[in-house]
This record gives sequence, structure tokens and C-alpha cells, in this order.
Amino acid sequence: GDSVTQMEGPVTLSEEAFLTINCTYTATGYPSLFWYVQYPGEGLQLLLKATKADDKGSNKGFEATYRKETTSFHLEKGSVQVSDSAVYFCALTLSNYGGATNKLIFGTGTLLAVQP
Amino acid sequence: EAGVTQFPSHSVIEKGQTVTLRCDPISGHDNLYWYRRVMGKEIKFLLHFVKESKQDESGMPNNRFLAERTGGTYSTLKVQPAELEDSGVYFCASSQGFVETQYFGPGTRLLVL
Repeated sequence: GDSVTQMEGPVTLSEEAFLTINCTYTATGYPSLFWYVQYPGEGLQLLLKATKADDKGSNKGFEATYRKETTSFHLEKGSVQVSDSAVYFCALTLSNYGGATNKLIFGTGTLLAVQP
Repeated sequence: EAGVTQFPSHSVIEKGQTVTLRCDPISGHDNLYWYRRVMGKEIKFLLHFVKESKQDESGMPNNRFLAERTGGTYSTLKVQPAELEDSGVYFCASSQGFVETQYFGPGTRLLVL
């Protein structure tokens, strides 16, 4: 079935370090891909998305490129800040494939802790 | 514009009791979704409303869970009777159109003892 696999955490980095969180997916059809972030005490927020192969989503210095050939959507940021400490979730939906529902399929989440 | 709100933020109940979670979507959003995250695992889809109708309830774990959406506005998710494995964080999300971005609420943390 459709699924998302992301690297397990926690990931601990020093401020200004480079961040990569790996995400791969299995899906029938052509999914849209998302990164959601959950800051402490808050709900999930959409961080970025990509709806077709080779699209690059970007927001707040984070980037991810939809790679169909490797079925991946890795999240990157060149220089992390303490305020980036949060749980990051990779997700997909098949809504653009004419499915009956727009449900999101999530990975397990990766906790990022950035130390000053 | 107010975001998605959920009530209560936390609930601690004993096994066998009943709990009702409420979600108020963003005004004007026809699509409402329930998800849950159990024991730090992945967030899993429970069901999807379009207005007051259940579009997809394939993720509902069993008949102890009952979801309703009154008049196509707010939604409730009732667990009766609650079991230990129901503990987790229950998220609600809403979207305006079918393929539009889903906006999430802060979640309800449910602990069943």
C-alpha cells in the first residue's frame, strides 16, 4: 500500500549546521508530497509542498525536491536555528489522481533539536 | 481568520469511560478530517467529511469510534467505551476545496488509564 518512510530521530544539531531529513515514499499513481512541522505545543503546519516530479518546494529557508526516480522528498536547510526545533512530518496524498479522498499519509515524524 | 480549534486540549479518562472530542474547522471549509497519532508513531487518517456527509471513513479503527458533523459545521468524535490503545493525540484538519491544503488544529491529547 501507499506509505511514507522518514529517518528516525531525534536529530540533534548545533545552530547554523546543515540539515537533511530523509523521506522516501511508495505510492500508486502520482502523489503530491508535503512536509509538515509541529512546533512545541502547537498543531501541524504546512511547511512546503510539491505536486509533481522535479518540483521544488521551499519556505522559511527549507527546501525539498520531488524526485520521482528515487521516490524521495528529502528536507534540507542550509543553516538551522534554535527556533527550528520541532517535529517534522513527511506526507503524501493522492488527491490529484482522481481519488475519492484527499487523506494524507504520514511518516513517523523526525524530532529535530537545535542547540545554541 | 480563526484557525482550526479543538476541545479539550487534554483528556485523561479511565478504561471503559466515554470521551467526546470536538473540532471547529475554519469557517467556510467544507472538508473536515480526523487523524490520530498513537504512541509516537505515524499520524494516521481516521475519516473525512464533506459538509455533513462522510466521504471516507476507512481509517476508523472499530465501532467504538463515532464521528458526526452537525450541519456541516463542527465535528465530534466519540470514543465509547475507551480502551488503553486509544491513547494518543487526535488531530482535526480542514480544507476549503477537495485538493486544497489541509489546516490542522493543535490536537487533543487523550490518555486512557
